[in-house]
Amino acid sequence: QKEVEQNSGPLSVPEGAIASLNCTYSDRVSQSFFWYRQYSGKSPELIMSIYSNGDKEDGRFTAQLNKASQYVSLLIRDSQPSDSATYLCAVNDAGGTSYGKLTFGQGTILTVHP
Amino acid sequence: SQTIHQWPATLVQPVGSPLSLECTVEGTSNPNLYWYRQAAGRGLQLLFYSIGIDQISSEVPQNLSASRPQDRQFILSSKKLLLSDSGFYLCAWSATANYGYTFGSGTRLTVV
Repeated sequence: QKEVEQNSGPLSVPEGAIASLNCTYSDRVSQSFFWYRQYSGKSPELIMSIYSNGDKEDGRFTAQLNKASQYVSLLIRDSQPSDSATYLCAVNDAGGTSYGKLTFGQGTILTVHP
Repeated sequence: SQTIHQWPATLVQPVGSPLSLECTVEGTSNPNLYWYRQAAGRGLQLLFYSIGIDQISSEVPQNLSASRPQDRQFILSSKKLLLSDSGFYLCAWSATANYGYTFGSGTRLTVV
């Protein structure tokens, strides 16, 4: 069974700090990796995708992927109280098919305090 | 641009009653469609996915069923709800495997 593991937290950081969220996955053939943000009572929103080893930056967000270690992370720089949410790591095991099923981690609760 | 609509937003149903949740996608054709459930304090569980009309795959055996009568319409149903069916039901679509999913706004179902 494919698994995606995240530290459930809660992770608490002060405003302006860097929040670091981590995720490991079990299936070595996984090809696409995503981070979703979910505010309480709302549906998940895609914030980052990454497909190749290394870093990918988008504004205050940086996704990092290491396929050899089966590890993906999300860094949030200059954290704001509005970043307080649950962050879901998702892994796609498309395996070359035209559709893919995302397996989600349990999510990490992030709290940014003023 | 593509949009996904899901309704109703909230639903309270008695045990043993039927269920029908609907999801539609606009602005694209032949989307991949998915139904997920998120129980309170838990992760997202894939229930069904569909790659085309009348092509439904079930991930978890249970008293739920799904149908796709039209290209951009995906319906989740049950003949008799159980207490354990309570949760946050999310419909999602994707164009291809590599683009991730876009979720609808969700339906919060409480079975009483």
